[in-house]
Amino acid sequence: GQNIDQPTEMTATEGAIVQINCTYQTSGFNGLFWYQQHAGEAPTFLSYNVLDGLEEKGRFSSFLSRSKGYSYLLLKELQMKDSASYLCAVRYSGNTPLVFGKGTRLSVIA
Amino acid sequence: EAGVTQSPTHLIKTRGQQVTLRCSPISGHTSVYWYQQALGLGLQFLLWYDEGEERNRGNFPPRFSGRQFPNYSSELNVNALELEDSALYLCASSGWQGMETQYFGPGTRLLVL
Repeated sequence: GQNIDQPTEMTATEGAIVQINCTYQTSGFNGLFWYQQHAGEAPTFLSYNVLDGLEEKGRFSSFLSRSKGYSYLLLKELQMKDSASYLCAVRYSGNTPLVFGKGTRLSVIA
Repeated sequence: EAGVTQSPTHLIKTRGQQVTLRCSPISGHTSVYWYQQALGLGLQFLLWYDEGEERNRGNFPPRFSGRQFPNYSSELNVNALELEDSALYLCASSGWQGMETQYFGPGTRLLVL
């Protein structure tokens, strides 16, 4: 199957940096997305990677290594409002929908 | 530009009833996706429509069905509701045959009693 693996929960301190990892099966890979989802709300799009390297967007960055089947989302200068679930999703080639990981619940503490 | 919209926002039904949820995609998007998210769980893919046709279907029973209209809006129908159908139902849309980023609507929260 096309499993997406990410840690279930993480805790980090306000103002710190946190890295959320995601691993996936590489066969047929055609792009990786990160979404943020606050409790009870819809996911919102954060970033997209299809080539190797780092994509930076303000406090958030996302990295991809296609050969290793690995991505991470880096959140800098953590704020309390960053407490949310972060979903990694992979697009595979062919007529297949996005495959979502189960999400990483991040708690930012003072 | 308006985002994905869904209606209703909340719904309460009893077991055995039927429900219809509606979704309007972002203007210019032709693909619509439906997901189910039970409380505390991950997104479960239900259905994908593009250009009026069903492109893919998740591992759900046939009582979950839907359609996409010529204006690309979509309906999700659930028949013979069961208690475990209680969940947040999310609709997302994307452009170009599903090859672009998916954007989500606010969801419909369904409670089955």
